[in-house]
Amino acid sequence: DQQVKQNSPSLSVQEGRISILNCDYTNSMFDYFLWYKKYPAEGPTFLISISSIKDKNEDGRFTVFLNKSAKHLSLHIVPSQPGDSAVYFCAASPSMDSNYQLIWGAGTKLIIKP
Amino acid sequence: GAGVSQSPSNKVTEKGKDVELRCDPISGHTALYWYRQRLGQGLEFLIYFQGNSAPDKSGLPSDRFSAERTGESVSTLTIQRTQQEDSAVYLCASSRDSGRTDTQYFGPGTRLTVL
Repeated sequence: DQQVKQNSPSLSVQEGRISILNCDYTNSMFDYFLWYKKYPAEGPTFLISISSIKDKNEDGRFTVFLNKSAKHLSLHIVPSQPGDSAVYFCAASPSMDSNYQLIWGAGTKLIIKP
Repeated sequence: GAGVSQSPSNKVTEKGKDVELRCDPISGHTALYWYRQRLGQGLEFLIYFQGNSAPDKSGLPSDRFSAERTGESVSTLTIQRTQQEDSAVYLCASSRDSGRTDTQYFGPGTRLTVL
């Protein structure tokens, strides 16, 4: 039973346009969410996070939106750049106190076309 | 500075053999995690070490899996009598602490193939 779902295995976006990566979750107890980015042959690297007390968090070109009623979050990248081509993972924290046992989605491969 | 390192980067083994995977966390990081990623799936939590506390082994899929960590340094993940379903990328991560905002830093992983 997948508690965190990324339904698009891949996404192709033109350089300079907006990339929107989506993530759905089923457990309403999740209250902290993270996005990680992974290049081939490397481990995932932390990108941005959001607490459920917020509905938006912005860091440069990256913005994460959280819709708690829909149990949905999305990552927006504007403008998209070739270096953004990577696999993006959504993860949720079920614990108020710690960040271990994160529940991870399967990832979305983002391809930025020149 | 040095990140999390893992060895070997690739391991091919025959079914039934034992394998040992190694993780060197970032110096000073008290928390260490092992994950497994099967093809096309998300990361699965395996085990968590925090300082000298007893590890949380709740994610280990069977008693063929075990892990050790000496203090706040190197950790080894051992899989005994490997099966084909153990084929996956095994990722190690460390963080300064285990608080919600303590970023986990991942190693490049060990790709295990069981023939």
